[in-house]
Amino acid sequence: DTAVSQTPKYLVTQMGNDKSIKCEQNLGHDTMYWYKQDSKKFLKIMFSYNNKELIINETVPNRFSPKSPDKAHLNLHINSLELGDSAVYFCASSMTGGTEAFFGQGTRLTVV
Amino acid sequence: RKEVEQDPGPFNVPEGATVAFNCTYSNSASQSFFWYRQDCRKEPKLLMSVYSSGNEDGRFTAQLNRASQYISLLIRDSKLSDSATYLCVVNHNAGKSTFGDGTTLTVKP
Repeated sequence: DTAVSQTPKYLVTQMGNDKSIKCEQNLGHDTMYWYKQDSKKFLKIMFSYNNKELIINETVPNRFSPKSPDKAHLNLHINSLELGDSAVYFCASSMTGGTEAFFGQGTRLTVV
Repeated sequence: RKEVEQDPGPFNVPEGATVAFNCTYSNSASQSFFWYRQDCRKEPKLLMSVYSSGNEDGRFTAQLNRASQYISLLIRDSKLSDSATYLCVVNHNAGKSTFGDGTTLTVKP
């Protein structure tokens, strides 16, 4: 069973479109995250949720909106996609904030 | 200054070599520390946590120096399969992990 699963694995879309990435964890963790890894491979945190509550929101354009319907799910919706949004987006979860994080396989987003 | 800094490398070493990576952090209130490994086109995976007393897992040894604000990872008897990017991670607020930019290691036959 996959511990942290995100879909889709690959996403190619045109500029201006709106898209969503879904993430689910079956580890019973309280904290979930979204990270962005750019073409230079730098991994940056975007959002962190604890028990469905947003606790970290880094400097991310408000075109990015996370939604956590329950503590096992954290989805990422992106409006008006831009070329610079092309990256790999990783979902992760941990027991609590600051403990070992388990990552999903990543969603490779390409905006054309 | 970046919150977490690593030497990006690349480190190119022969099989059997010993290699060490360092990572420095700027926030003295940082609470927990980890090394992750990321293979090409894969997700990061925890390699080991780093404890104040230092800890060892097989060929891997991690150490923390709070006074100088750095952590280190030592890999002994390098294997081809150790080739990857090693990411230093520092937590200074509950829920916020800062990743270093990674150090790339290539182990050659």
